[in-house]
Amino acid sequence: DAGITQSPRYKITETGRQVTLMCHQTWSHSYMFWYRQDLGHGLRLIYYSAAADITDKGEVPDGYVVSRSKTENFPLTLESATRSQTSVYFCASSVSWANTGELFFGEGSRLTVL
Amino acid sequence: GENVEQHPSTLSVQEGDSAVIKCTYSDSASNYFPWYKQELGKGPQLIIDIRSNVGEKKDQRIAVTLNKTAKHFSLHITETQPEDSAVYFCAASAKAAGNKLTFGGGTRVLVKP
Repeated sequence: DAGITQSPRYKITETGRQVTLMCHQTWSHSYMFWYRQDLGHGLRLIYYSAAADITDKGEVPDGYVVSRSKTENFPLTLESATRSQTSVYFCASSVSWANTGELFFGEGSRLTVL
Repeated sequence: GENVEQHPSTLSVQEGDSAVIKCTYSDSASNYFPWYKQELGKGPQLIIDIRSNVGEKKDQRIAVTLNKTAKHFSLHITETQPEDSAVYFCAASAKAAGNKLTFGGGTRVLVKP
């Protein structure tokens, strides 16, 4: 049971470079999410997706792009990385989002932007 | 939008003692309140949740209480053990707000043996 996997686990990049964080889930969950975790801010929603080809903005979407061509994959792209995007990024999936769904998180991708 | 405040940010307890983490929320329409535990180097994992039609819920050594009037909810861990050391997050969501979960800032709990 692979669950939900993120790659890379660690990434160092430079300001202005494009970075893509990958997320893959094996449960066929409809909903997928990207959160960033910063000290003192908890987890903040960047983007989410209700199904393939359906995505929507969360709380902090600026500077990020997502796509969902297949149910199992939900990549997050930073088109031109900035230092403020240094963070730990978590992908999550859920069977439903009808106010009851448990979120299943990946192990995170730690991104450092120099 | 919803705002969730969580206190304290760090909590150190002696093994066997109880730990209490408190959260307040701003949106009176919120009706789902989960708690997630994050161990070092891992993603958060749901440990317990409560809905607005319930005042208290228990699961072994953990319990959550909800006061809708005051708009706050708490996590109680009794007989703490070293494996309870982790970061705990509360969250709230409202159906009217599209069910988006808003997380608190997290509490780092250290259980000293």
